[in-house]
Amino acid sequence: GAGVSQSPRYKVAKRGQDVALRCDPISGHVSLFWYQQALGQGPEFLTYFQNEAQLDKSGLPSDRFFAERPEGSVSTLKIQRTQQEDSAVYLCASSLAPYPRAEAFFGQGTRLTVV
Amino acid sequence: DAKTTQPNSMESNEEEPVHLPCNHSTISGTDYIHWYRQLPSQGPEYVIHGLTSNVNNRMASLAIAEDRKSSTLILHRATLRDAAVYYCILRAGYSGGGADGLTFGKGTHLIIQP
Repeated sequence: GAGVSQSPRYKVAKRGQDVALRCDPISGHVSLFWYQQALGQGPEFLTYFQNEAQLDKSGLPSDRFFAERPEGSVSTLKIQRTQQEDSAVYLCASSLAPYPRAEAFFGQGTRLTVV
Repeated sequence: DAKTTQPNSMESNEEEPVHLPCNHSTISGTDYIHWYRQLPSQGPEYVIHGLTSNVNNRMASLAIAEDRKSSTLILHRATLRDAAVYYCILRAGYSGGGADGLTFGKGTHLIIQP
């Protein structure tokens, strides 16, 4: 497809369950970002990849959160032992160049609800 | 990171121009001013960015103050589809190798009245 694709669009998880969220960036995009957006708030940065290298994971809220991009394209955000406070929309974005002024393209997000 | 300040919400009428202000008094000389918007149930989308000079594209115009401590996003003729949250974001003009992510604030919720 032409844009950033995220799956699933919606995920309901029982507290304590592990979840995996997938992001397919635009082909050829070097940079990939994950964000978490709570209801009524702006997106908050979680982690950043340049190709397969995870250059910044300072925004990951706990060691239950793990992200990978093993071949420099598709990325997976994994949350272990989900908690209710993990309920949010998780957004993925990619950009062509590893420069901060490059335009970032966002997916529609995955809405995670932990019950 | 340099911070931006935006009004929480603004209201405008359809087919009228909209001026969305942003203050960024601590901007550094290499920071670019970016605007993104987020329509309901969508991911953010890029609108425009600039450094010093005013910028125009098919979506909007960006007017940057001479001292660069403020900027204004201008939608020339608002439509109902422009109703969204608009975010003004500063980005360093070089790759820090690490914290290159966009830092979103709460943005301005733009309401368009028919």
